[in-house]
Amino acid sequence: DVKVTQSSRYLVKRTGEKVFLECVQDMDHENMFWYRQDPGLGLRLIYFSYDVKMKEKGDIPEGYSVSREKKERFSLILESASTNQTSMYLCASSSELRLYEQYFGPGTRLTVT
Amino acid sequence: AQSVTQPDIHITVSEGASLELRCNYSYGATPYLFWYVQSPGQGLQLLLKYFSGDTLVQGIKGFEAEFKRSQSSFNLRKPSVHWSDAAEYFCAVGAEAGGTSYGKLTFGQGTILTVHP
Repeated sequence: DVKVTQSSRYLVKRTGEKVFLECVQDMDHENMFWYRQDPGLGLRLIYFSYDVKMKEKGDIPEGYSVSREKKERFSLILESASTNQTSMYLCASSSELRLYEQYFGPGTRLTVT
Repeated sequence: AQSVTQPDIHITVSEGASLELRCNYSYGATPYLFWYVQSPGQGLQLLLKYFSGDTLVQGIKGFEAEFKRSQSSFNLRKPSVHWSDAAEYFCAVGAEAGGTSYGKLTFGQGTILTVHP
């Protein structure tokens, strides 16, 4: 069974802390994505990556960065967490040929206090 | 820029009743269209997709959707809803290769489906 796993289901951090959200997929997918999900706003794309060490900005990249050192792992970094980054973060992956057929992880609910 | 609107935030149906969830999109060319479902506490799962060809597409779990270019719509339907269908449903649009937004999947706001026994 294909799987996308995220390092934490729930995370509580303080304002100003550096936060790392980790995502691992076991499907040998080329593409990986980070979204944030907020009620009434649906999912919004933060960053995505087509290949190792490659990244592309999504619709809301401000305040975030990413790292992809290995094909199976895609990290989202909040350099200095702020309360408006309290949200559900979803990671997804897809194959090169089926870019939009994305497999999602269960999500990390991040609370910044 | 591409966009998706799901006009209904919350829909309640009785088990066994038919279902239609609305989705309207905005995109200059032929869109790639998708419906995803998110069960409570879970990630999203792809229900069905439309790229081209037959405008009525079948998906998993007995769902279907119809692409209507004239109405810029891609509504999701199911003839008889089961209690396990209670979830949040997201419509999404992706740009074709060569477009400036290629690679970005744009989601609607979501529709929460409640099923009464």
